[in-house]
Amino acid sequence: EPEVTQTPSHQVTQMGQEVILRCVPISNHLYFYWYRQILGQKVEFLVSFYNNEISEKSEIFDDQFSVERPDGSNFTLKIRSTKLEDSAMYFCASVLRGTLIEQYFGPGTRLTVT
Amino acid sequence: LAKTTQPISMDSYEGQEVNITCSHNNIATNDYITWYQQFPSQGPRFIIQGYKTKVTNEVASLFIPADRKSSTLSLPRVSLSDTAVYYCLVGDPSSGSARQLTFGSGTQLTVLP
Repeated sequence: EPEVTQTPSHQVTQMGQEVILRCVPISNHLYFYWYRQILGQKVEFLVSFYNNEISEKSEIFDDQFSVERPDGSNFTLKIRSTKLEDSAMYFCASVLRGTLIEQYFGPGTRLTVT
Repeated sequence: LAKTTQPISMDSYEGQEVNITCSHNNIATNDYITWYQQFPSQGPRFIIQGYKTKVTNEVASLFIPADRKSSTLSLPRVSLSDTAVYYCLVGDPSSGSARQLTFGSGTQLTVLP
């Protein structure tokens, strides 16, 4: 069964540093997403990405964040100048078409900011 | 955005049928009900989606009454591996907007031996 993969599984960084979280969506999927989940809290939508541009974003997704699809397979989330409150699980998801019948989520990257 | 309400937690025993109900009183005409499962330190996994009446797949059944103000996820004969958080999401999948498909607090299902 095809799956979304994410690397690294765990990233530890110091406050103020930049991190890049990587995702490889399912190969024929066209729509990509990032979510985050702070420990013990809800899964929160960050951003949607289609056709090499952001299609929608949440209030959380401010100038500190950016997304990119640098090649035909990877989808990245960059967090600049990390803060302690950025510590969370970050999930990538993808769907084949724009209708959200079923999102496929990756296993997540645990980001710890110290 | 349709708000959903689910029980915070439920306990069950292996082999039993589990029914988790979700309330969504302000569901809109074009909204569907979608359920996801999440294990600790993993991403959510799609279980089932429906619009009205009953939907069944190899994993679960989804019951939606005529007024669509609530829905019930039914897991037949649960096992220990079904211990997870179950989320009910309500939104219009044809809109393509992931932002409106919000994850609530979910229901922590614990299956006991």
